[in-house]
Amino acid sequence: QVQLVQSGAEVKKPGSSVKVSCKASGGTFSSYAISWVRQAPGQGLEWMGRIIPILGIANYAQKFQGRVTITADKSTSTAYMELSSLRSEDTAVYYCARNWCGGDCYWYFDLWGRGTLVTVSS
Amino acid sequence: DIQMTQSPSSLSASVGDRVTITCQASQDISNYLNWYQQKPGKAPKLLIYDASNLETGVPSRFSGSGSGTDFTFTISSLQPEDIATYYCQQYDNLVTFGGGTKVEIK
Repeated sequence: QVQLVQSGAEVKKPGSSVKVSCKASGGTFSSYAISWVRQAPGQGLEWMGRIIPILGIANYAQKFQGRVTITADKSTSTAYMELSSLRSEDTAVYYCARNWCGGDCYWYFDLWGRGTLVTVSS
Repeated sequence: DIQMTQSPSSLSASVGDRVTITCQASQDISNYLNWYQQKPGKAPKLLIYDASNLETGVPSRFSGSGSGTDFTFTISSLQPEDIATYYCQQYDNLVTFGGGTKVEIK
């Protein structure tokens, strides 16, 4: 059974960067897109961007343009989200989520990682 | 960006009650609307896709309707295990989530 396995919790200083990984365990990315969604403490869900690994195409939410980079390594079925110029407001749980994208893309997320807590603190 | 306005932000209902949540899009999104359930400390779970289609394995007491800008999510008979926060999500133009509705038992 496919799972999305995310990297462990991170503590970062303001102004630094963080890179979170998401590996498809038991499967591949070949027919899927991967999105990154974050959730600040006590807040709602916020979509950051996505990548279609087989095409190498990434799209980003306007709010994060220029500060987030989403990449994927097809050989290891791993996606990455790098967020730069971190500030305290970036403290959140970061989720990766999968949607079918084989031919047509269906933009509903049927599989999620367990989340990675990123804490930004001086 | 397409804005998604969910209401109410929270509600309290009794077991067995019918619960309705609405989601309004800032522009026409056809039926490109999904609903998720999130329990504390857990990742969201897909319940409804394309406005009205029930995800496999999801109980039939959950349903969705609507198109264009106005959408409704309904729990026909609230159960204790339905205590969670519910989110709508549009995908007509990239992806946006609604602000969430926290459902509690009265």
